[in-house]
Amino acid sequence: AQTVTQSQPEMSVQEAETVTLSCTYDTSESDYYLFWYKQPPSRQMILVIRQEAYKQQNATENRFSVNFQKAAKSFSLKISDSQLGDAAMYFCAYSLKGTYKYIFGTGTRLKVLA
Amino acid sequence: DAMVIQNPRYQVTQFGKPVTLSCSQTLNHNVMYWYQQKSSQAPKLLFHYYDKDFNNEADTPDNFQSRRPNTSFCFLDIRSPGLGDAAMYLCATSEDPSGPPQHFGDGTRLSIL
Repeated sequence: AQTVTQSQPEMSVQEAETVTLSCTYDTSESDYYLFWYKQPPSRQMILVIRQEAYKQQNATENRFSVNFQKAAKSFSLKISDSQLGDAAMYFCAYSLKGTYKYIFGTGTRLKVLA
Repeated sequence: DAMVIQNPRYQVTQFGKPVTLSCSQTLNHNVMYWYQQKSSQAPKLLFHYYDKDFNNEADTPDNFQSRRPNTSFCFLDIRSPGLGDAAMYLCATSEDPSGPPQHFGDGTRLSIL
């Protein structure tokens, strides 16, 4: 069975600094997707970034980038130049290609300090 | 403009009293999802639709049902809510049938008295 683990329940970062959120997963499959979602307090969940397992290049979206280590089954999210608006719960998620089931981690709450 | 709209934002019902949560979308996406999210936990998929094809997760209780009368609307019916069903219920859509949930609604927070 596939699992997604986020070992950091909470993280803090100073405004304008860089923070890395960790995610590990377990699967025996080779073709899958990984995602990071952001859920601000009392607001909609937003898809932040997506990585396809067969692509070696790490995905990047503006200040958000990932470090995808397929052999180690690791998928961390780096947020550069952190802003107050980045404060949210961040969920890592896994999906086997061709299926609709997305397995979410338990989330990491990110606090951004002014 | 809101693209996935969930009504109501907050719903209170009595133990055992049926309740319906609604979701509408203006995106014309084929795929719609219902998730249950309990406090400080990850969202848990209950159902998804690809067009009118309904897919129930194996561990979704029978107490939960869903309807999708057309592309724009999807409903979650809880026939006999228990205290353990108190949660945030999230609706999401996806254009790509093999892609992730792309657009989420604000959610409906369900409380059980």
